[in-house]
Amino acid sequence: EADIYQTPRYLVIGTGKKITLECSQTMGHDKMYWYQQDPGMELHLIHYSYGVNSTEKGDLSSESTVSRIRTEHFPLTLESARPSHTSQYLCASGETGTYFFGSGTQLSVL
Amino acid sequence: RKEVEQDPGPFNVPEGATVAFNCTYSNSASQSFFWYRQDCRKEPKLLMSVYSSGNEDGRFTAQLNRASQYISLLIRDSKLSDSATYLCVVNSGDMRFGAGTRLTVKP
Repeated sequence: EADIYQTPRYLVIGTGKKITLECSQTMGHDKMYWYQQDPGMELHLIHYSYGVNSTEKGDLSSESTVSRIRTEHFPLTLESARPSHTSQYLCASGETGTYFFGSGTQLSVL
Repeated sequence: RKEVEQDPGPFNVPEGATVAFNCTYSNSASQSFFWYRQDCRKEPKLLMSVYSSGNEDGRFTAQLNRASQYISLLIRDSKLSDSATYLCVVNSGDMRFGAGTRLTVKP
């Protein structure tokens, strides 16, 4: 089993709240990624990092931000949640082409 | 044009059928190739890597044609438990995921 963890598993929150989705991995991977996925739809890359203090935006425009202060930790923050942010957020890490995914955070913004 | 394109599906097949999924990629410099499986409301998990010589893992066979920039996955003697979405993944420096092909195996 992969050692990559996401919390919370489910989050229901009101519009305008600031939220942080947590992602941690204990495999020592430099590369970490955040994807957004709606039910039955494809994965969209929203942020990635190649190591500490390295962060980049992905293909899908996102109002979220990320940080990478420690190798094992890659949190994603939404400063002001909106209903359009309702989705599943998947964190992944990997080296040499093999990804391990966390179980995801299902976010619902009311 | 998307960097990785897959059969749109869905595929609905009876148990025991053989089913093949196709995938094409646009970046000729792509280095490695994979098939991932994603169950409903779960995270994707690596199913198998795809090697130039083709490779087999039990009922699953993956093939790569670099000249045509084409990858395939063949599932023989399909089981109910094979029902999932199959994602074609291409490593071009970053991992690029296809939209996935949904498979439903029925009794």
